[in-house]
Formats: sequence, structure tokens, C-alpha cells
Amino acid sequence: TQLLEQSPQFLSIQEGENLTVYCNSSSVFSSLQWYRQEPGEGPVLLVTVVTGGEVKKLKRLTFQFGDARKDSSLHITAAQPGDTGLYLCVRSTLGRLYFGRGTQLTVWP
Amino acid sequence: DTGVSQDPRHKITKRGQNVTFRCDPISEHNRLYWYRQTLGQGPEFLTYFQNEAQLEKSRLLSDRFSAERPKGSFSTLEIQRTEQGDSAMYLCASSLVRTRPYLVHYGYTFGSGTRLTVV
Repeated sequence: TQLLEQSPQFLSIQEGENLTVYCNSSSVFSSLQWYRQEPGEGPVLLVTVVTGGEVKKLKRLTFQFGDARKDSSLHITAAQPGDTGLYLCVRSTLGRLYFGRGTQLTVWP
Repeated sequence: DTGVSQDPRHKITKRGQNVTFRCDPISEHNRLYWYRQTLGQGPEFLTYFQNEAQLEKSRLLSDRFSAERPKGSFSTLEIQRTEQGDSAMYLCASSLVRTRPYLVHYGYTFGSGTRLTVV
């Protein structure tokens, strides 16, 4: 069961464009994580957000946790081909991770 | 330490055969997790160990699947009588957990996975 809904499922853009991907749930989370996964590799943690309304920046990536802690967004500014990958939002419960289906991002040169 | 290692990276097997995968976690991590990821999906939790004890198994882990972590270090995941539906990426992860004064996880890290294809 996918308790985390991610949208869009696929995104294909040109280098230099901006984009936002979304993660939504009907449940309140104590924290939420974003991972990026490249083909043939395991997911790599990008960020953890904990506080409602929290905004975290990682270079050109901006992560926001909704005020009600039920949703999150990831915004990428001036996307580059190296940003290509599967972006996964994840909630953690007692150490187990529950993943959304992910957004497959492709950035063309 | 080079992170979480999984072996083999790829495995092709005939339906009905048994396969075994190995995971070597980060040495100071006390928790080890197994996940399965099929095409177009995020990883799904299968089971986890704290030290050598297997503390939880998902309903996804049928009777044909067994996991061990005999000395609290490396772990193996065995699939008996493989079926085509078992084709997936099997991911291992490890973390360091402290339970006192409250539950905190550090350093949740995934390996590169074992890609299983059942033909």
C-alpha cells in the first residue's frame, strides 16, 4: 500500500528549467525524508524535515515540509543532467522506511 | 569502511532454483534491513535485524524467503524455489540505533542492491 502519493510520476525537462515535485499523505508525519536513487544503485538520503513549515536548502534543491506535516515538496532550480534520477519521499516508523512510488526525473542537455 | 556492500550485483536464475544474497553492513551499525524494489515502485520493507535478532518480517516475506544475521554482522537473504514474480532489486540498508533515552537512528545507508532476474 502506497501511503505516500508522489506527483508527477514522470518529469522530463531541459537543462536550466525549474521544477517542483510533490509528496502528499492523509497522515501526519513526525518527520519525512527525501532520497534520490540512480539506476542500478540504492537510494541516497538528501534531507530530513521534521518541523511543520520547515524549509531546507541543499544547493539548488529546496525542500519544504507542510505546516500540517502531511505534505512536502522538492523544488530544483536550474536543473542539470546530473539531477536525473528517481526522487523518493519516505516516512520512517520505528526504523522501517515507507517509500512513495517516486518521481522519475530526466534532465536533457 | 566503504559503506554497505551487497553481493552479487546481478543474478539470473531459472525458475525453481534457490538463490542467496549477501549484505555486509557498515561495521558499527547494529540494525540491518532488507527491502525489495520492483520496476516503477519505491522500495518495500521486507525484514530487519537488530544485532543478530530478526525483529520484524513483512507479509511480503513468504515462506520461500528466509533471512539470517548469525553473528550480528553480515546478513543473507535466501529465496527458495524462485518464481518469475521474485524478479526485483533486493536492497540492504543498515543504521545505528540508540534506544536510550529515546529511539534515534543514525546514518541510514543503502547498498547498491542485488538485481535478481528469474527466467
